[in-house]
Amino acid sequence: NAGVTQTPKFQVLKTGQSMTLQCAQDMNHEYMSWYRQDPGMGLRLIHYSVGAGITDQGEVPNGYNVSRSTTEDFPLRLLSAAPSQTSVYFCASTRFGKETQYFGPGTRLLVL
Amino acid sequence: AQSVTQLDSHVSVSEGTPVLLRCNYSSSYSPSLFWYVQHPNKGLQLLLKYTSAATLVKGINGFEAEFKKSETSFHLTKPSAHMSDAAEYFCVVSDHRNAGNMLTFGGGTRLMVKP
Repeated sequence: NAGVTQTPKFQVLKTGQSMTLQCAQDMNHEYMSWYRQDPGMGLRLIHYSVGAGITDQGEVPNGYNVSRSTTEDFPLRLLSAAPSQTSVYFCASTRFGKETQYFGPGTRLLVL
Repeated sequence: AQSVTQLDSHVSVSEGTPVLLRCNYSSSYSPSLFWYVQHPNKGLQLLLKYTSAATLVKGINGFEAEFKKSETSFHLTKPSAHMSDAAEYFCVVSDHRNAGNMLTFGGGTRLMVKP
């Protein structure tokens, strides 16, 4: 199993540009989520999904969109990047009834 | 609502001395509690978890944590620090309102180990 994979590892954007952060898992996990990590604030939940076709907002959803068309993939879209979205983004997944979440390696995003 | 407070943003110890990373939580439900470790430029690795079984939880790399409900604490300890323990540590709480177990992270504690 590859586990949770994320692409790209690093990205630089200009303000106003759009992009999609990719996340995939091969463990057949129902639950997937996106977090952003900022210094001194731990990880904060952006969006999550409890299964294909179902998504919901987390703590800091503004400026981000998600969709879940398959069990394996959970992309995160930035429609119009802002410098405040400079952060490290982590994707995670888990099975229902299991409490351990598996994290991807992260995507480091810099918005100029 | 649930929340996590890590009482120290930075902890510095000498190699071979004990490690104590402090964590307090609040939760309206019976929580599960975790400690994750993040080495520089790496992802998050689960160290240990408490899920309402034994209150003293043993994890990987010699770490352990004790769940104290009366004190709402879940402090992480290790008897003897190793240079490889230098990393950032996150205390995490999860309640069971959501089938996928939404996580709430503390702000993190950066552990530095001096030779």
